[in-house]
Amino acid sequence: KNEVEQSPQNLTAQEGEFITINCSYSVGISALHWLQQHPGGGIVSLFMLSSGKKKHGRLIATINIQEKHSSLHITASHPRDSAVYICAEYKAAGNKLTFGGGTRVLVKP
Amino acid sequence: EPEVTQTPSHQVTQMGQEVILRCVPISNHLYFYWYRQILGQKVEFLVSFYNNEISEKSEIFDDQFSVERPDGSNFTLKIRSTKLEDSAMYFCASTVRGYNEQFFGPGTRLTVL
Repeated sequence: KNEVEQSPQNLTAQEGEFITINCSYSVGISALHWLQQHPGGGIVSLFMLSSGKKKHGRLIATINIQEKHSSLHITASHPRDSAVYICAEYKAAGNKLTFGGGTRVLVKP
Repeated sequence: EPEVTQTPSHQVTQMGQEVILRCVPISNHLYFYWYRQILGQKVEFLVSFYNNEISEKSEIFDDQFSVERPDGSNFTLKIRSTKLEDSAMYFCASTVRGYNEQFFGPGTRLTVL
């Protein structure tokens, strides 16, 4: 059973729209990561958070520890934001990341 | 800006052959990882490595797999006898501490024929 669940699996937005991707994770994590995978396959870390909220440019990540839920928001989306966004939970006990299935985002001009 | 590098970018091999995938982590990082992604599937953890030993491995990482940090800079993944199902993109990652942001290499696409 996959412990990290993402929704939606696919998302299409018009340029300028606000995008939200959701992630549910399991108990006992040390941190929650958000990553971006480009069409060429490369993976880039966007955020690592264990509480609260982080913002970088047009990207915002939030986490609710009680509900074991995290969201990634993209404000004023742009076609260059088109990618797969992946959440992954980190557990120190296992020293490993467990990945969600990813959300494929397409932003149309 | 420092980055994780991987070689080769693409490796094609025959079933049953040995392959070695190479990674150069960021120089001051202490924790190293291998992940794989079969085409169309999610990224999967293979192994983590710290202080010159394996700290965790998945059930995928069986006796056919091994890792090594032979010279303090390279971090290698060896598959002794490749199978068709080993065809995947293999990513190396490193981080300063386990719970910190991980930096990923560009990946090696392994194709087993």
